[in-house]
Amino acid sequence: EAGVVQSPRYKIIEKKQPVAFWCNPISGHNTLYWYRQNLGQGPELLIRYENEEAVDDSQLPKDRFSAERLKGVDSTLKIQPAELGDSAVYLCASSLDPPSLAASTDTQYFGPGTRLTVL
Amino acid sequence: GQNIDQPTEMTATEGAIVQINCTYQTSGFNGLFWYQQHAGEAPTFLSYNVLDGLEEKGRFSSFLSRSKGYSYLLLKELQMKDSASYLCAVGGTDKLIFGTGTRLQVFP
Repeated sequence: EAGVVQSPRYKIIEKKQPVAFWCNPISGHNTLYWYRQNLGQGPELLIRYENEEAVDDSQLPKDRFSAERLKGVDSTLKIQPAELGDSAVYLCASSLDPPSLAASTDTQYFGPGTRLTVL
Repeated sequence: GQNIDQPTEMTATEGAIVQINCTYQTSGFNGLFWYQQHAGEAPTFLSYNVLDGLEEKGRFSSFLSRSKGYSYLLLKELQMKDSASYLCAVGGTDKLIFGTGTRLQVFP
């Protein structure tokens, strides 16, 4: 079974430029997450989708970040314009069930991530 | 507030046993997860505990005490490939909260 797919794996841009990341979750997983991970830190949730609905975007910097999950499968995360502090690894994860059921089916599986460097 | 604590770094010798501790304070509890993350790679799921006690999976075991807000990951018969960061993550009311990770270095 294919895992979570992300592209690109690496991206280097200059500040003020736009950038977009793409994620394809595990087939059948209704819940999709975008995380940001800074060096030496654990992942921090940016946004969570249940199917095509964004149910938790409280940590998403909405002035420059946007995300969509059309048709409830693939998702795109965009930053416009990028700032130096946005340099990080952007991880996508998916789970069969949402994280509130206290069951192993809410286990999240991560993609390889996109390492963004903003110069 | 929500807080997850784990040691920053640990070292161990190949073939030995190591225990990585995690203490947590979160609003709500829907299970505790351990992930392994090699440098430059994505976190990989290792274990899940929702009830008190020990869960064993081959060389890896994970323990949970909900009353103490405490968990540990036990790695036996350490191998060089076990050198990685180990992330403790707690399922809160509606999201997963990650610790900063414990970087384990295994020496020959």
